[in-house]
Amino acid sequence: EPEVTQTPSHQVTQMGQEVILRCVPISNHLYFYWYRQILGQKVEFLVSFYNNEISEKSEIFDDQFSVERPDGSNFTLKIRSTKLEDSAMYFCASSTTGGEQFFGPGTRLTVL
Amino acid sequence: SQQGEEDPQALSIQEGENATMNCSYKTSINNLQWYRQNSGRGLVHLILIRSNEREKHSGRLRVTLDTSKKSSSLLITASRAADTASYFCATDAGNRDDKIIFGKGTRLHILP
Repeated sequence: EPEVTQTPSHQVTQMGQEVILRCVPISNHLYFYWYRQILGQKVEFLVSFYNNEISEKSEIFDDQFSVERPDGSNFTLKIRSTKLEDSAMYFCASSTTGGEQFFGPGTRLTVL
Repeated sequence: SQQGEEDPQALSIQEGENATMNCSYKTSINNLQWYRQNSGRGLVHLILIRSNEREKHSGRLRVTLDTSKKSSSLLITASRAADTASYFCATDAGNRDDKIIFGKGTRLHILP
């Protein structure tokens, strides 16, 4: 069964460093999303992406964040200068036409 | 904003009993989904119910939706130890690329 994959599973970085989180959505899906979950809190929407552009972004998704679909298979989230409060689990999701979104296993980001 | 809020926040039951979790939301929706998350792991999609549906079954899961009350319930019958997890409802407005908004979740613990 096709699934969304994410790498790495755990990323540790120093405050101020750039990180790139990678996702491979399900191959025939057209809509892509990033969400995050701070430990013990609920899952929060960051950004949606369709047709090579951002469809919607939350207020969390500030200038330090960017997304890219560099080729036909990868979908990346870049944090330019990480802050302590960026420590969270980051989930990528994809869908065909909205509705059911399929989530990846997540990347745990730890900012020291 | 649309938001699913689950109740109770935590639930402990004996193995074999049924578990019922409720979700309320604020605005009109097109779809409501339930997800499961094992501790520190990814999100597993359980079931999607559309606004024109009132009840849906999947194995031991039964979901109801009452759009007049803006509420949904998830029933897990004949619970098993493996059902121990957090359960989230998530709502969307049904636009093709619409984000989904998660509630805070119910932590379900199945006692042996």
